[in-house]
Amino acid sequence: DAGVTQSPTHLIKTRGQHVTLRCSPISGHKSVSWYQQVLGQGPQFIFQYYEKEERGRGNFPDRFSARQFPNYSSELNVNALLLGDSALYLCASSLVVLTGELFFGEGSRLTVL
Amino acid sequence: DQQVKQNSPSLSVQEGRISILNCDYTNSMFDYFLWYKKYPAEGPTFLISISSIKDKNEDGRFTVFLNKSAKHLSLHIVPSQPGDSAVYFCAAAPGTASKLTFGTGTRLQVTL
Repeated sequence: DAGVTQSPTHLIKTRGQHVTLRCSPISGHKSVSWYQQVLGQGPQFIFQYYEKEERGRGNFPDRFSARQFPNYSSELNVNALLLGDSALYLCASSLVVLTGELFFGEGSRLTVL
Repeated sequence: DQQVKQNSPSLSVQEGRISILNCDYTNSMFDYFLWYKKYPAEGPTFLISISSIKDKNEDGRFTVFLNKSAKHLSLHIVPSQPGDSAVYFCAAAPGTASKLTFGTGTRLQVTL
């Protein structure tokens, strides 16, 4: 069975640009969460979606937004990119919304120049 | 404010010996704790969890201990194997929520 898939795996953007990251959860998983991992740090929670509704939001500016589609895939959008947005963006899925047992994808590595 | 702390960035252990990874937390609302393992170029993988109603949880070679009064948990790996070499993240949440707060990770190297 396919795990959590994310695209693109690597991308380079310049300051001020916009980026869209995509995530397909494990089949049957209805919850998708997004985490940002800056080099040398642990993953930091950005959003959780369940059944297409936002169920949690971390301490990130409004430049960060996300959505979940009817097929449970998800997009993370970041506007007006800053150098500090350079990070590994991890998507995780789970069967239910209230669980810490998340299945992570390999991540999308974003570099902002 | 680092609510989950892993003060040892790295640990080296010989194959067959015990590996002990430590984690401290400051938020009293945390009552659900997990350990994740991460290999290079892969996403974190769930390893083991414990809720605050327990002080110990075992799964094969992995045991997690929770000391609520000290706000401290530890992961014991016995015996350690070379395949255990990875970065280990401690994570915590209020209740069984999915909004996890992670520590900065400890890189474990198991040597032959």
